[in-house]
Parts: sequence; structure tokens; C-alpha cells
Amino acid sequence: NAGVTQTPKFQVLKTGQSMTLQCAQDMNHNSMYWYRQDPGMGLRLIYYSASEGTTDKGEVPNGYNVSRLNKREFSLRLESAAPSQTSVYFCASSEFLGLGELFFGEGSRLTVL
Amino acid sequence: SQQGEEDPQALSIQEGENATMNCSYKTSINNLQWYRQNSGRGLVHLILIRSNEREKHSGRLRVTLDTSKKSSSLLITASRAADTASYFCATDFNDYKLSFGAGTTVTVRA
Repeated sequence: NAGVTQTPKFQVLKTGQSMTLQCAQDMNHNSMYWYRQDPGMGLRLIYYSASEGTTDKGEVPNGYNVSRLNKREFSLRLESAAPSQTSVYFCASSEFLGLGELFFGEGSRLTVL
Repeated sequence: SQQGEEDPQALSIQEGENATMNCSYKTSINNLQWYRQNSGRGLVHLILIRSNEREKHSGRLRVTLDTSKKSSSLLITASRAADTASYFCATDFNDYKLSFGAGTTVTVRA
């Protein structure tokens, strides 16, 4: 089992460019999440999807959009990247929202110049 | 804003010693979880303790929860070089989403 797979692992963008981070899980989990991790800030929730067909804003949603493509896949899109979006992005999944542990991907390191 | 805060921010210990880190949080919780993150990797779940539990063990890990003080501690006994990592507490509250602290960085010296 691969668990949670994120692509790409590294990306460099110029200000104003757009890109999509992909995430897929093979654990048949209902809930999926996107977090960003910045030094000294811990992980902050960007968006989450409690179940297939639903998405909701987290703590820091501005500048991002998400799509829950199906039960397995949850993508994060930056429409017009800004230097403040330079961060490490983590996708995670859990069986249900608020129930049990989160399983994390290995992270996507994004630099916006 | 972060619900939980870990203390200390960083900890350096000798191999074989115990490591203790604390987490304080602000509002009532359903459960509290601890995660480990090795450098450059994703977070890995260590242990979950429910609000009606006071102590939980898993291998060399011991977690306590004091809901009256809104705090939790993680003890790693007989530390090893492989325990070098950042440790995060995560709490869920009314809306069931996890909120993570900024973490404690533990360095185990050989």
C-alpha cells in the first residue's frame, strides 16, 4: 500500500503562475485534508473534504482552491502564486472527519519567486 | 490560530536518557494526538488519547492528559538516535478538525 501520495515533490514557480498539487490515497478513507507547514507555525489547515463531493475552508484558504475529484483524489490549486505561498504542503487523509489518526503524504515543497 | 502549543521548542538529550515534552491547549477537546516528523518527511501518528483517558502507553512512549489543566505530556524513555525528530501535538475540538502546534524538535546525541 502506498498510503497517501503527493505530486510533485518539488516545484519552483514565478509570481503569478498557477499550478495544481495532486494527492491520492489508497486506504478508502472518506476525509482528506491539505495543510501547509511554515517554520515556527506548525501545520495550518487550508481546505478539507469531509467526504466525497464536499469541500470546506480551513484556517488559511485565501489564494487556494480545491477539488475532490473522487474518493481517492483531492487536489489543491494555486491560481496566481505569490511569494507568501512558499511553503511545504501536506496532504492527509482519515477514515472519517474527526475520527482517529491522520495519514500524511511526504509533502510538496513549493517555492514562489 | 493554533490550538495547541508545545514546550520546549527544542530539546537535546543523550542517547539512553528520557525526553519529555508538553502540550497546552485552549479549549475543550474530544481527543489529543501526538505525531512525529523526521526531517524532510511527512508526519507519522504516534498515539491518540481520548478526553476521558488520563494516561496511555505505546512501546517506549507514555502520554498523559490533564483536562483540568488543558495539558498533555509525551515521554520517550530510553531515547535512541532514531528518535531525533520533531514532535507535534494535535487537538480536535468542536468542529472535529485537527489543529497542530508548532512542535518540539528533539535531538538525541550519541
